[in-house]
Amino acid sequence: NAGVMQNPRHLVRRRGQEARLRCSPMKGHSHVYWYRQLPEEGLKFMVYLQKENIIDESGMPKERFSAEFPKEGPSILRIQQVVRGDSAAYFCASSPLAGAEFSYEQYFGPGTRLTVT
Amino acid sequence: AQTVTQSQPEMSVQEAETVTLSCTYDTSESDYYLFWYKQPPSRQMILVIRQEAYKQQNATENRFSVNFQKAAKSFSLKISDSQLGDAAMYFCAYILRGNNDMRFGAGTRLTVKP
Repeated sequence: NAGVMQNPRHLVRRRGQEARLRCSPMKGHSHVYWYRQLPEEGLKFMVYLQKENIIDESGMPKERFSAEFPKEGPSILRIQQVVRGDSAAYFCASSPLAGAEFSYEQYFGPGTRLTVT
Repeated sequence: AQTVTQSQPEMSVQEAETVTLSCTYDTSESDYYLFWYKQPPSRQMILVIRQEAYKQQNATENRFSVNFQKAAKSFSLKISDSQLGDAAMYFCAYILRGNNDMRFGAGTRLTVKP
């Protein structure tokens, strides 16, 4: 059973460009979470999605950031007009359906390191 | 505010010795789950151990065990017989039952000396 997959692993963007980060959850998982990790800090929650629905985006910056999890395909975290402060590692996690064993657990992908030059 | 505090930014242990990493958290809720994650230089987040708050018995996973003190809101990680491969950042985290956002501490960098 493949784990959570994220691509690309490394992404370099110039200021003002768009960044698209992709996440494929573990097989059988329908819940996806995005976290951001700034250097020397812990992970900070951004958004929680189920298929075709944003459930909780309380940690998402109000501007330039958006996320989706379409019916088909991976979840996408999109950052428009990137700035230097967006440079960070972005982690995706997935969890099984509510009620399943260990449904509270989140399984993390390897992360995407975004560098804005 | 619901926060996680790891008071030791860095720790060091001799190979084969035992080390304890501290973690305290702050929540007024009673139903939650606690975790320790390991993040090696590859940056992959690896689940080390989990604890359900309603369980009094401390979780153990091979050389890893926790000391869960619910009243004190403390959740320390003990690593026995430390190995070179244990060197990593360790993050303490918790999530409230029914919530979506896992809260993380700032991490403790563990160095293992040969």
